[in-house]
Amino acid sequence: DQQVKQNSPSLSVQEGRISILNCDYTNSMFDYFLWYKKYPAEGPTFLISISSIKDKNEDGRFTVFLNKSAKHLSLHIVPSQPGDSAVYFCAATSAGGYQKVTFGTGTKLQVIP
Amino acid sequence: DVKVTQSSRYLVKRTGEKVFLECVQDMDHENMFWYRQDPGLGLRLIYFSYDVKMKEKGDIPEGYSVSREKKERFSLILESASTNQTSMYLCASSSSGQGERETQYFGPGTRLLVL
Repeated sequence: DQQVKQNSPSLSVQEGRISILNCDYTNSMFDYFLWYKKYPAEGPTFLISISSIKDKNEDGRFTVFLNKSAKHLSLHIVPSQPGDSAVYFCAATSAGGYQKVTFGTGTKLQVIP
Repeated sequence: DVKVTQSSRYLVKRTGEKVFLECVQDMDHENMFWYRQDPGLGLRLIYFSYDVKMKEKGDIPEGYSVSREKKERFSLILESASTNQTSMYLCASSSSGQGERETQYFGPGTRLLVL
């Protein structure tokens, strides 16, 4: 049972445009959400996070939006750069879970120069 | 900088062999994790540990065991390797923090092929 879903396995965007990566979750106990970025032959690295008490968090070109009622979050990258080409994993966690994180299936983003 | 290292980048083993994957972190983190990454399935948690000698099953523990004898080291053991355990294995660590949800730091991964 996939509790965190990324329904788009891949996405192609022109350099300079906006990239929007989507994520849905089913477990209402999740209250903290993260995005990780993974390049080939490397481990994932943390990108940005959001607590359920917020609906938006911004860090430079990256913004995460959270819609709790729809159990949906999205990552916006503006403007997209070729170096952003990677696999992006959405992840979620709940309080008291010994830092256990549930990851989504990932979306492969390709930014075309 | 947090550093998480894994003993091998690539490993080829035969069916039935016992396989040890080692992970070491240098940031005195309490929590350590083992995941496998497969196409279309994302990262799935195998086991995690929140303290020395403590372990908890993740979502897919069958066919695996773990060992944490020292705080900085977390080993994943495939008791009898099978072809369906061919995968990318990722180790991660995190601090317990002060009621915050700490970021996990990942190693570079071990690509295991079981023939």
